[in-house]
Amino acid sequence: DAGVTQSPTHLIKTRGQQVTLRCSPKSGHDTVSWYQQALGQGPQFIFQYYEEEERQRGNFPDRFSGHQFPNYSSELNVNALLLGDSALYLCASSPQAGGLSTGELFFGEGSRLTVL
Amino acid sequence: AQKITQTQPGMFVQEKEAVTLDCTYDTSDPSYGLFWYKQPSSGEMIFLIYQGSYDQQNATEGRYSLNFQKARKSANLVISASQLGDSAMYFCAMNVIKAAGNKLTFGGGTRVLVKP
Repeated sequence: DAGVTQSPTHLIKTRGQQVTLRCSPKSGHDTVSWYQQALGQGPQFIFQYYEEEERQRGNFPDRFSGHQFPNYSSELNVNALLLGDSALYLCASSPQAGGLSTGELFFGEGSRLTVL
Repeated sequence: AQKITQTQPGMFVQEKEAVTLDCTYDTSDPSYGLFWYKQPSSGEMIFLIYQGSYDQQNATEGRYSLNFQKARKSANLVISASQLGDSAMYFCAMNVIKAAGNKLTFGGGTRVLVKP
């Protein structure tokens, strides 16, 4: 049973460019969340998708957008990249039903973005 | 708003000894969950243990146990019989159990180095 998978694992972009990161949730999970982890810090919540809609959003600008597909996979898009967007981007999946109170929330290995 | 505080930025522990990682939290919601994750240098957030706010007993998972003191709003992680592979960053996190989603708030982490 595959866990949460993310791609690409590493990528390098330059300022002003756009990037798309991808996530496939764990089998049986229908909710996907994205987190940004800057070097030396804890992850920060970006947003969460369920039923192809954004359900919650953290304190991130509109340059950060996302999408969820009918198969529950998700994309994170970041436009007009800044140097400060360099970070590890983590995807987490959970079941909407029951996941809130059981702790069933699992992360992928992340996509490490470097902006030059 | 929720807040997680981990006051130990780093610590050394001797192999085979036990170690306690501190975590305090703040929330006004009565229903919440507390998580501990391990993050090795590879970047993946590995789920260790979960405690619900209404759970009567402290959670245990193999060598991991969570010392939950609700009145003091603390959720310390105890790792027994430390192994070299336990060297990693450890994050405490919480979510508020609402219908809106499963957003996690993380602490700043504690780096553990196990010495042979």
